[in-house]
Amino acid sequence: DGGITQSPKYLFRKEGQNVTLSCEQNLNHDAMYWYRQDPGQGLRLIYYSQIVNDFQKGDIAEGYSVSREKKESFPLTVTSAQKNPTAFYLCASSPRTTQGPYEQYFGPGTRLTVT
Amino acid sequence: AQKVTQAQTEISVVEKEDVTLDCVYETRDTTYYLFWYKQPPSGELVFLIRRNSFDEQNEISGRYSWNFQKSTSSFNFTITASQVVDSAVYFCALSEAGYSSASKIIFGSGTRLSIRP
Repeated sequence: DGGITQSPKYLFRKEGQNVTLSCEQNLNHDAMYWYRQDPGQGLRLIYYSQIVNDFQKGDIAEGYSVSREKKESFPLTVTSAQKNPTAFYLCASSPRTTQGPYEQYFGPGTRLTVT
Repeated sequence: AQKVTQAQTEISVVEKEDVTLDCVYETRDTTYYLFWYKQPPSGELVFLIRRNSFDEQNEISGRYSWNFQKSTSSFNFTITASQVVDSAVYFCALSEAGYSSASKIIFGSGTRLSIRP
């Protein structure tokens, strides 16, 4: 089945530790995205990547890092510098298009809890 | 600056009632795109519709319909004869044209819809 996988579904870490969230897609999409969702709020963009080996900061990139070494993979590292890392993290992807922004397809999310 | 406002934080209706979710947006661009997504309890966002700023025709898909009005900067979503399975958080979103292959989407804060049996 084509889609986006995020693992694990739930992740627990102690404060001060870096943690990497996995995102893999087999949709052959060029663009990939990471969002953060806090309770009762919408999605906020952390990082996005248009193509392999290229990525741009979103609205809340501080305390996060990403890499895009393969088209199908876009891991997100939540560093100890992120002051409030507990949240629901969603990965998405979209195909390349010349006809305006395309809809994004989302993974099931990873719920990160840092104590 | 872009902004999407979903003023209704939570809505609760009885099954089979019609319900409308409001969405008001702000953008300086003349070309832009609007979206609706559904987020069921499982957490994964499901794409429902994309509409560009040049197409003001209303759209109907089964029990779902969308009313796009540029004059009031609104893109409202109506569910007819609601069902319990419609219970979810619904997000309205906006994207300006002009990006290359990556579309940067601005999401509203969402409306939590509860359908009571």
